[in-house]
Amino acid sequence: KQEVTQIPAALSVPEGENLVLNCSFTDSAIYNLQWFRQDPGKGLTSLLLIQSSQREQTSGRLNASLDKSSGRSTLYIAASQPGDSATYLCAVRDDKIIFGKGTRLHILP
Amino acid sequence: NAGVTQTPKFRILKIGQSMTLQCAQDMNHNYMYWYRQDPGMGLKLIYYSVGAGITDKGEVPNGYNVSRSTTEDFPLRLELAAPSQTSVYFCASSTRQGFSNQPQHFGDGTRLSIL
Repeated sequence: KQEVTQIPAALSVPEGENLVLNCSFTDSAIYNLQWFRQDPGKGLTSLLLIQSSQREQTSGRLNASLDKSSGRSTLYIAASQPGDSATYLCAVRDDKIIFGKGTRLHILP
Repeated sequence: NAGVTQTPKFRILKIGQSMTLQCAQDMNHNYMYWYRQDPGMGLKLIYYSVGAGITDKGEVPNGYNVSRSTTEDFPLRLELAAPSQTSVYFCASSTRQGFSNQPQHFGDGTRLSIL
């Protein structure tokens, strides 16, 4: 059974710092891995999707990597801003889509 | 292009009542999903559908039913509402599994309280 774990559960960093969010999964037979952002009381917004054949994807200040063999993905956020404060969720897709519990990120002005 | 539309946005039910949460997508996606999200938790899959006429159970299907008579619509039904079903419900859609280079699209959610 696929399980997705995100560490840390919560993170506070000063504005301007670079940071890394972690996601691990137990079954490497996935089609893709997706990172989402969720603002309080809102739905999910897709940030980056990495196909199983890819190693990383970049969008602006965000970079996501995927290491299928070790069952790990990281989301790197460069030069963090207060507007980056949100919950970040990763999800892996095999027969279904399984989500982690998320990392609550707070950027301190 | 509206994407994924969920109605209603908010609802309060009494224990034992029934209701249907509506979900519609206009992207011609084959796959549709229903999730619930409890406070401080990730999303748990309730049911999903790989195409019209085909549905399957997810992680937490008990107490819910779905149907998929068209590609566009995927309603979720609660027959006998229980306090444990208080949650935020999200509908999502995506392309076929074999074309997994496209992200999953989510609706804005339905906030449901059972009192």
